[in-house]
Amino acid sequence: KQEVTQIPAALSVPEGENLVLNCSFTDSAIYNLQWFRQDPGKGLTSLLLIQSSQREQTSGRLNASLDKSSGRSTLYIAASQPGDSATYLCAVRPRSNFGNEKLTFGTGTRLTIIP
Amino acid sequence: EPEVTQTPSHQVTQMGQEVILRCVPISNHLYFYWYRQILGQKVEFLVSFYNNEISEKSEIFDDQFSVERPDGSNFTLKIRSTKLEDSAMYFCASSYLAGRRGFYNEQFFGPGTRLTVL
Repeated sequence: KQEVTQIPAALSVPEGENLVLNCSFTDSAIYNLQWFRQDPGKGLTSLLLIQSSQREQTSGRLNASLDKSSGRSTLYIAASQPGDSATYLCAVRPRSNFGNEKLTFGTGTRLTIIP
Repeated sequence: EPEVTQTPSHQVTQMGQEVILRCVPISNHLYFYWYRQILGQKVEFLVSFYNNEISEKSEIFDDQFSVERPDGSNFTLKIRSTKLEDSAMYFCASSYLAGRRGFYNEQFFGPGTRLTVL
């Protein structure tokens, strides 16, 4: 059974710093990995999707990497801003004959950017 | 920019009552999903729907749950007899494709419906 873990559970950094969020998964047989942002009491905003054949994806100040063989992904946020404060979730989509449509989510990292 | 919408944003119901949560997926998407998030816990998959039938469901999605696409735009989740433990945020999502094809299988989520069962 796929398990997705995100460490740390919470992170506080001063504004302007670069930071890295971590995601690990136990089964490397995946189609893709998505990073999401969730604001308190709100929905999930898709930030980046990395296909299993890719090593990284970039969108603005965000860069996500994927090392499928070791079961790890990182989300790098450059020049952090107070507006980046949110919970960041990673989710993987399994590669299998059955059950290959659902996303399996991690518990998230709650990020606080200190002005 | 196209987005997934959900109504209502908050639903309060008595235990044992039926509720219907509504979603309007992105218009050219073909795959539809329901997930839920109990307060403080992970987002959990409930069901996926394609071509007017359930394509996959989780253990959570028992006989009390059903989904329907009653017309060309709406996608609904019905809980027949709500329990206290059904209290959660319910998210609808959609994607253009699933399966192995490229970037089109990115899932886009709605803002959620907070269901409170008393």
